[in-house]
Amino acid sequence: EAEVAQSPRYKITEKSQAVAFWCDPISGHATLYWYRQILGQGPELLVQFQDESVVDDSQLPKDRFSAERLKGVDSTLKIQPAELGDSAMYLCASSLALATTYNEQFFGPGTRLTVL
Amino acid sequence: DAKTTQPTSMDCAEGRAANLPCNHSTISGNEYVYWYRQIHSQGPQYIIHGLKNNETNEMASLIITEDRKSSTLILPHATLRDTAVYYCIVRPYSSASKIIFGSGTRLSIRP
Repeated sequence: EAEVAQSPRYKITEKSQAVAFWCDPISGHATLYWYRQILGQGPELLVQFQDESVVDDSQLPKDRFSAERLKGVDSTLKIQPAELGDSAMYLCASSLALATTYNEQFFGPGTRLTVL
Repeated sequence: DAKTTQPTSMDCAEGRAANLPCNHSTISGNEYVYWYRQIHSQGPQYIIHGLKNNETNEMASLIITEDRKSSTLILPHATLRDTAVYYCIVRPYSSASKIIFGSGTRLSIRP
């Protein structure tokens, strides 16, 4: 069964350092999402891509976070510089996103970030 | 903000039916009810969705009240592997619409 791949699974960094997370969606999925999940809360959407274009980044802290999906396939989420409050699980999801039918979002296993 | 209200936690005996309630009194006509669950240390997993009719699949059943202001997710024979956080979400049908997660219900299945 096809899955969304993410790496690394765990990342420990010191504040003010740069970190990057990678996501490879299910093959053929045009829409890709990055979520952040703080412990004890539900996931919160950070950015949504349709192919290589950003559809929604209204919740992305653009002073320190950036996301790209250059070829419309895999994606990278970067934080620079990391702050203590960025400690969370970062989840990637993808979907077919056909306009006329429902296609569920499939989530990857996530990257757990700890900022010291 | 999430448009749904769920109990913070519930428990259920293994082998019994688990009934998870959700209130969505402000749901609009073009919004569906979706359920996801998240097992510890994993990403959320889609369970089921519906508009106004009851729905059933291999994982669960979804019962939506006639006024669509509340719904119940039913796991007919709960197992220990069903221990997870269950999220009830309302959103438009299009898969391009964002999922706004609340805090969900933490379901514990006891042996």
